[in-house]
Amino acid sequence: ETGVTQTPRHLVMGMTNKKSLKCEQHLGHNAMYWYKQSAKKPLELMFVYNFKEQTENNSVPSRFSPECPNSSHLFLHLHTLQPEDSALYLCASSQEAGGSTDTQYFGPGTRLTVL
Amino acid sequence: AQKVTQAQTEISVVEKEDVTLDCVYETRDTTYYLFWYKQPPSGELVFLIRRNSFDEQNEISGRYSWNFQKSTSSFNFTITASQVVDSAVYFCALSEARNNAGNMLTFGGGTRLMVKP
Repeated sequence: ETGVTQTPRHLVMGMTNKKSLKCEQHLGHNAMYWYKQSAKKPLELMFVYNFKEQTENNSVPSRFSPECPNSSHLFLHLHTLQPEDSALYLCASSQEAGGSTDTQYFGPGTRLTVL
Repeated sequence: AQKVTQAQTEISVVEKEDVTLDCVYETRDTTYYLFWYKQPPSGELVFLIRRNSFDEQNEISGRYSWNFQKSTSSFNFTITASQVVDSAVYFCALSEARNNAGNMLTFGGGTRLMVKP
């Protein structure tokens, strides 16, 4: 399998549920990202991991908890979400940390609906 | 602070027409990178092009071409002889060079392109 994959592709959850989104990249990259894409809003960066270390948390509420066990995998753990958290969650990866050839490649996203 | 503006929220054309998607950016950095991504209905953002701030040469790739003009802070994207498969949302993005923190992208609001047969 190539590129960036995300599972599940669709998720419906209640506000009291706990779920996790998974992202895997097969590109040999060292940096991984979570973005949120809501209707009528620009893409928002949530978290950045570089060599498994979190380097950016863009003021994301604590009900979103990222985990990066290695450079190929990234998780987003969800708990006690609100309906306004319903969105498309996109994962991306890039080769170098801020290098001149750094380009982010995106997965297909997880469409999350919070009831 | 960085900012990317895509003033056209939605464009509708008939197949085979040429169409230009506008992108205007703001940054205080002298070194930065500009990107275009395509987002088809499936949701995945597909990388189209990256351009660094020191390279103002226009680029052509098949039916796609890009016009980078630092004087007007614009990075416009033209599709020649549009096809139905070009229908998607197109995002322009800007990043600043940062060390050891990954590439921080600021996205524009996107332009939805609809190509009708």
